[in-house]
Amino acid sequence: DTAVSQTPKYLVTQMGNDKSIKCEQNLGHDTMYWYKQDSKKFLKIMFSYNNKELIINETVPNRFSPKSPDKAHLNLHINSLELGDSAVYFCASSLDRGGGYTFGSGTRLTVV
Amino acid sequence: AQSVTQPDIHITVSEGASLELRCNYSYGATPYLFWYVQSPGQGLQLLLKYFSGDTLVQGIKGFEAEFKRSQSSFNLRKPSVHWSDAAEYFCAVGGSGGYNKLIFGAGTRLAVHP
Repeated sequence: DTAVSQTPKYLVTQMGNDKSIKCEQNLGHDTMYWYKQDSKKFLKIMFSYNNKELIINETVPNRFSPKSPDKAHLNLHINSLELGDSAVYFCASSLDRGGGYTFGSGTRLTVV
Repeated sequence: AQSVTQPDIHITVSEGASLELRCNYSYGATPYLFWYVQSPGQGLQLLLKYFSGDTLVQGIKGFEAEFKRSQSSFNLRKPSVHWSDAAEYFCAVGGSGGYNKLIFGAGTRLAVHP
């Protein structure tokens, strides 16, 4: 039983393409997140949703659009992919009271 | 500004030796503090967390961390390191309420010599 699952695990695509990453959690958590981990392993928050409502939107290019159809799912759609988008994208979830995150195993995106 | 500093980018220890990974934070309110571990190609696993109360926190895999408010530190320790502990370790700080984002340090890569 995977608590936070992301698909796909690997994604290789050409510049200019549009791609989506999906995330699902079965923990009953109310809040979900997208983090980006760059080549130097630095983790930075991109978005957060609470009960389908966007609550955190960091300075992210508007080519990135999150969507949360319900509180168990948070997807990330990226338009017009650029080389600099290559990274590992992590989905995470938490309870409202801030009990720490549970992370997915990540999606390694490579833009060529 | 909220920030987390992990001064050591890379640490190498011998198997069986003790370990201490340093973490300093800057946070305007009461912090929630976390340590996560990331093995190669894997996601992040929560080792331990501090919210309040006893400043010495026990975690999984034999790790512990001590919160020192006066030093704004939350250092991670293990008395005897195993080869399987080789990984990247991240310290993170967040707020005491819900919805608060976690701010991560840059990580410390731990290598273990046999």
